[in-house]
Amino acid sequence: EVQLVESGGGLVQPGGSLRLSCAASGFAFINSEMNWVRQAPGKGLEWISYVSSTGSLIYYADSVKGRFTISRDNAKNSLHLQMNGLRAEDTAVYFCGRALVAQVIDNWGQGTLVIVSS
Amino acid sequence: EIVLTQSPGTLSLSPGERATLSCRASQSVIGNYLAWYQQKPGQAPRLLIYGTSSRATGIPDRFSGSGSGTDFTLTISRLETEDFAVYYCQQYGSSPPITFGQGTRLEIK
Repeated sequence: EVQLVESGGGLVQPGGSLRLSCAASGFAFINSEMNWVRQAPGKGLEWISYVSSTGSLIYYADSVKGRFTISRDNAKNSLHLQMNGLRAEDTAVYFCGRALVAQVIDNWGQGTLVIVSS
Repeated sequence: EIVLTQSPGTLSLSPGERATLSCRASQSVIGNYLAWYQQKPGQAPRLLIYGTSSRATGIPDRFSGSGSGTDFTLTISRLETEDFAVYYCQQYGSSPPITFGQGTRLEIK
C-alpha cells in the first residue's frame, strides 16, 4: 500500500523557516516524480513544487520561487520542502504527492498544517 | 500561465441525478493534459480522471471526462451520496506552473 506521511508543520513567525518532510513507503520512491501542493484554509489547491525521480529537474510556482527548496533523498525514501522567508499567505495545509505522470498526483499524504503568524 | 475557471461554483443535485461540471481554460491545454480531483472535508484530494478522459485506478465508471482545447467536462452519471464533495480540475500540459481551477462544490439538494 502506498503511504505518504508529511511532518514538520507548525506555527512560525513571519520571516521564519520550516522544513517539511514526507516519508514514502509501499512503492518505488526512487522511480517516482513527486510534488508539493498546498491549500490555504477554506481555499482551493495550489501546486507549489515538483521534483523528478532523480532530482535533476525541479520546478516551482512563482509564489514560492527563491524562498522554498524541494529536495529528495532516494536512499531514505523521503521528500523535503525547505521553506524560508515565510509569509502570512504561506499559511496552509501542505500535501506531498506522488505523480502518476508529470504533475498528475495519484497518491497524496494527509497533509501538514503550517501557520505563519506573529 | 493558464487560468482554469470552473462552473458552476456550487451545484445542488439529488442522489441519482446526473452532474455536469465544467472547466474552461484561458488558452488551449496542450495535449489535453487535464485532470480532475475530488476532495471531501478534512481529506486529501483524490485523483479521478487524467488525460481528459482516463479514469484513475479504482474510480467507478459513473465518472467520465471529456473535452478538448479549452473546454472540459466531468460527468457523474448517477450521483451517489458519497459523490457530494468539491471537485477541482488541473492542467499539466503547460507546466510549470501547473494550475488548478477554483473548484465546484457539489452539494445535496
